[in-house]
Amino acid sequence: AQTVTQSQPEMSVQEAETVTLSCTYDTSESDYYLFWYKQPPSRQMILVIRQEAYKQQNATENRFSVNFQKAAKSFSLKISDSQLGDAAMYFCAYRGRWGGSEKLVFGKGTKLTVNP
Amino acid sequence: DGGITQSPKYLFRKEGQNVTLSCEQNLNHDAMYWYRQDPGQGLRLIYYSQIVNDFQKGDIAEGYSVSREKKESFPLTVTSAQKNPTAFYLCASSIRADLLGGYTFGSGTRLTVV
Repeated sequence: AQTVTQSQPEMSVQEAETVTLSCTYDTSESDYYLFWYKQPPSRQMILVIRQEAYKQQNATENRFSVNFQKAAKSFSLKISDSQLGDAAMYFCAYRGRWGGSEKLVFGKGTKLTVNP
Repeated sequence: DGGITQSPKYLFRKEGQNVTLSCEQNLNHDAMYWYRQDPGQGLRLIYYSQIVNDFQKGDIAEGYSVSREKKESFPLTVTSAQKNPTAFYLCASSIRADLLGGYTFGSGTRLTVV
């Protein structure tokens, strides 16, 4: 079964600085999808960014970008110019293209604190 | 606007009682999911349904039951057999064929056993 590991339970960053959240996953598939979700204090889950494994180019969405290292099975999230509104739980998730395609597998999350 | 509605936002249950959490979507999504969230545990899958009148157990289905009689609705019943039901419950939906689309989530239900 696929697993997703977020090794940093908590992280903190100064406002306007850059922070990187780590995510590794275990899979035997060659094609799959990876996601980062944000859960602010409201607890509403928000999709931040997504990546298709067969695309080598790293996905970017404004201040959010990923470093996708397929061979290392690593999918880290970089937040540039951090803002107070970025404070939240961040969850990394995996979805297989063939096996396990019917559901997302989530990591345990990283709590990000943004200091003014 | 299309979305997923979970109700109620807060729910209190006495020990030994069954309780049902509602999840309704008007996105025309075919797949629906229930996750449980506990501190430090991330999101754990309880049940999911890919089509009407069919559903599968997730990783922690014991003590829970679901039904999928309509495409729009996927209620979750927390039975008295669930030993530790106090948690935050999230419902989600997706388009089966759109694997890159991810999920759309509801706003959650906080269940507390009193």
